Amino acid sequence: EDQVTQSPEALRLQEGESSSLNCSYTVSGLRGLFWYRQDPGKGPEFLFTLYSAGEEKEKERLKATLTKKESFLHITAPKPEDSATYLCAVSFTGNQFYFGTGTSLTVIP
Amino acid sequence: DAGITQSPRHKVTETGTPVTLRCHQTENHRYMYWYRQDPGHGLRLIHYSYGVKDTDKGEVSDGYSVSRSKTEDFLLTLESATSSQTSVYFCAISDWTGRDYGYTFGSGTRLTVV
Repeated sequence: EDQVTQSPEALRLQEGESSSLNCSYTVSGLRGLFWYRQDPGKGPEFLFTLYSAGEEKEKERLKATLTKKESFLHITAPKPEDSATYLCAVSFTGNQFYFGTGTSLTVIP
Repeated sequence: DAGITQSPRHKVTETGTPVTLRCHQTENHRYMYWYRQDPGHGLRLIHYSYGVKDTDKGEVSDGYSVSRSKTEDFLLTLESATSSQTSVYFCAISDWTGRDYGYTFGSGTRLTVV
């Protein structure tokens, strides 16, 4: 049973076209939800941690939000350099993280 | 990736041979992890360590063993490699001391078992 589901699997946007990526989870007792960015041939790069419903965090054109059962990664006016795979992970034990399969984002100039 | 290196970056090996992957950190972090990444599965935890000689299994530990004799090194061994272990392997570290205890990942090892 999947603990973390990300949607869509792939997303193509025109430069400047804002959108959102979704991460839904089924674990109870969430300790933290994490967003990562992964470029081809590289390891994931940490973006945000969210701990409780209603929490929001921002970094440049990215904004992450959290509800009781899902998180959104909002991308405002994306640029081609934002093209990457975005991974979501959840932790409920503290030591183990469950990752989604990611959303592959392509931003077209 | 500053502070964490994996070796080798690429390896091709034959079925049935033992293989060891190395993860080295310079951050003095307590926690170290081995993940594998496969299409359609995302990142899955193999083993992790919470200190020297302290290790535990993750969700896909069968066929793998680990060792941590020094804080800075975490080794992953495939005792007898199989084709199903063809994957990209990532090491990660975490210090768990700050508010945002996200992982720092290495650049990965691409392993092909033929």
